[in-house]
Amino acid sequence: EAGVVQSPRYKIIEKKQPVAFWCNPISGHNTLYWYLQNLGQGPELLIRYENEEAVDDSQLPKDRFSAERLKGVDSTLKIQPAELGDSAVYLCASSLDSAGDHEQYFGPGTRLTVT
Amino acid sequence: KQEVTQIPAALSVPEGENLVLNCSFTDSAIYNLQWFRQDPGKGLTSLLLIQSSQREQTSGRLNASLDKSSGRSTLYIAASQPGDSATYLCAVVTSGTYKYIFGTGTRLKVLA
Repeated sequence: EAGVVQSPRYKIIEKKQPVAFWCNPISGHNTLYWYLQNLGQGPELLIRYENEEAVDDSQLPKDRFSAERLKGVDSTLKIQPAELGDSAVYLCASSLDSAGDHEQYFGPGTRLTVT
Repeated sequence: KQEVTQIPAALSVPEGENLVLNCSFTDSAIYNLQWFRQDPGKGLTSLLLIQSSQREQTSGRLNASLDKSSGRSTLYIAASQPGDSATYLCAVVTSGTYKYIFGTGTRLKVLA
């Protein structure tokens, strides 16, 4: 069974440019998470989806970040415009549901560098 | 607000040694705790998931224990190998939320 797929793996952009990340969760997983991980830190949740509904986006900087999960499967995270401080690894994870009974499975991440 | 701390931040041991990684959390009302492994430049791999009603979980050479009352979990690695070198992260879900709060990790290096 395929794991969580993310693309691109690496992205270098200039500040003020837009960027988008894509995630395909494990088949059958209803819950999808986007995390941000800075160097030497643990991941921090940006947004959690239950099917196509964003049920927790309290940590998402909504002035420049947006996300969608059309049809409750794939998801896209967008930043517009990007700032230098957005340089980090963006991780996508999925689980069967968010009740906490099930493990989270992570993708390999997208390493963003903003110059 | 839940805070998760991992000590030590880095650890270097000779191959074959048994070792313990520590994770502490400030709010003992947790739903579960999960240990992950992260290799450089890679995503996180789940190692063990402990529900709040459980005291420990085992998988191969790994054993994780949970003491909610003291706000602590330990990950025991037996007979360490160079392939165990990675960063180990713990994460907790506080009761009433569905949000994982991660520690900053312990960077482990096992020397051949």
